[in-house]
Formats: sequence, structure tokens, C-alpha cells
Amino acid sequence: QVQLVESGGGVVQPGRSLRLSCAASGFTFSTYAMHWVRQAPGKGLEWVSVISYDGSNKYYADSLKGRFTISRDNSKNTLYLQMNSLRVEDTAVYYCARVPGAALYYFDFWGPGTLVTVSS
Amino acid sequence: DIQMTQSPSTLSASVGDRVTITCRASQSISSWLAWYQQKPGKAPKVLIYKASSLESGVPSRFSGSGSGTEFTLTISSLQPDDFATYYCQHYNSYPITFGQGTRLEIK
Repeated sequence: QVQLVESGGGVVQPGRSLRLSCAASGFTFSTYAMHWVRQAPGKGLEWVSVISYDGSNKYYADSLKGRFTISRDNSKNTLYLQMNSLRVEDTAVYYCARVPGAALYYFDFWGPGTLVTVSS
Repeated sequence: DIQMTQSPSTLSASVGDRVTITCRASQSISSWLAWYQQKPGKAPKVLIYKASSLESGVPSRFSGSGSGTEFTLTISSLQPDDFATYYCQHYNSYPITFGQGTRLEIK
């Protein structure tokens, strides 16, 4: 069965960096585009970024202004999100999510999420 | 960016009721719309994609309709497990955006 498990969250000071991982299993990871979506505490869902199945195409939310980088290692079935210059407003649960077709699509499987808290 | 606006923000209803949630897009998104259900502390779960296609395994009491800029999610007969927050999401173009959510609570 499809499984996505995020890790790497925690408490970090403003201005510092953090790298999130998403371990995938139960499907052929290298043939699916993958996304990151976040949710601030008590708030709605916010799309963060997408990467194509082979890593050749990437898109980001405008609000991130180049601070985040999405990547993947298909040999390890793992998706990453490198987050630099973190701000208090980046505090959120970060979900990785799979799309069942084209990269621009709906999300059919989500991980349980990992909480990132940016605080001094 | 395409803005997605849901209404109402909160909906109070009883078991057995028929309820409808509306999602409006700031420009046409054809039928590139999905609906999700989210329960506290859990990841969202897709219910409907391409505006009206029921995701596998989702009960048939959920249905979606609409195209262009106006969409609806209908639950034909509310069950206790349906009390949750619902989000619409467009996938017409980047950036993908979500509605602000509709909290469905027990009356």
C-alpha cells in the first residue's frame, strides 16, 4: 500500500535552516510527481512546491521567495524540502503528497505530516 | 494567482441532513477542482476530483458538481463520521490554491 512518511521537523530559530524528508513506499516513486503542502496551526492548506517525476521541473509558491528548494532522490525513494532563512510565519505542519497523473493535479495520497516550529 | 472562496465558513447540521458547500474561483478553472475532507490532527483525504469524479473508496453520499468558476460539494445524508473540515483546491495552473475551508459541525 502507498505510504508517505515525513521527517525532519522540529523547533528551529528564525534565520536557521532545516531539511525535511519524505520516505515513499508501496509505489514506483520514480514515476510520480510529488508536492509539499503546509498548514499553519489552526489555519488552512497552503501549497508549497512541486517536483516532476525525474526532478527536471520544479515550481514554488511565490511567498517563499527562493528560500525553499525541493529535490528528490529516486534511488532512495525520498523527497526533500530544504528550508533556509526560516521565519516565524513558516511554522506549520508540512505534508508531502503524491499526484496520480500529471504534476499539476489533485493529491491522492498524503503523509501524516511533520511539524516545523520557528521560534526564538 | 487564482483565488478560491468557500462558503459558508462554518456549517451546523444534523445527522441525516443534506448539506451543500460552495467554492468559487476568481477565474475559470474548467473542471480542475478537487474536494478534501480533513479531521483534526490528520492529513486531508481526497473525496472528489475533476469537479465531479468520486475518488475510489469514498461513499456515494458525497458528490460534486460545477465547472468554470462555481462548484459545489454535496453530502446527501450526513453521517457522524462526516463532521470535519472541507477544502476545495484548483489545479488549473500554478500556483495551486485552496479554499479557506468549511467547518462542518454538529447542530
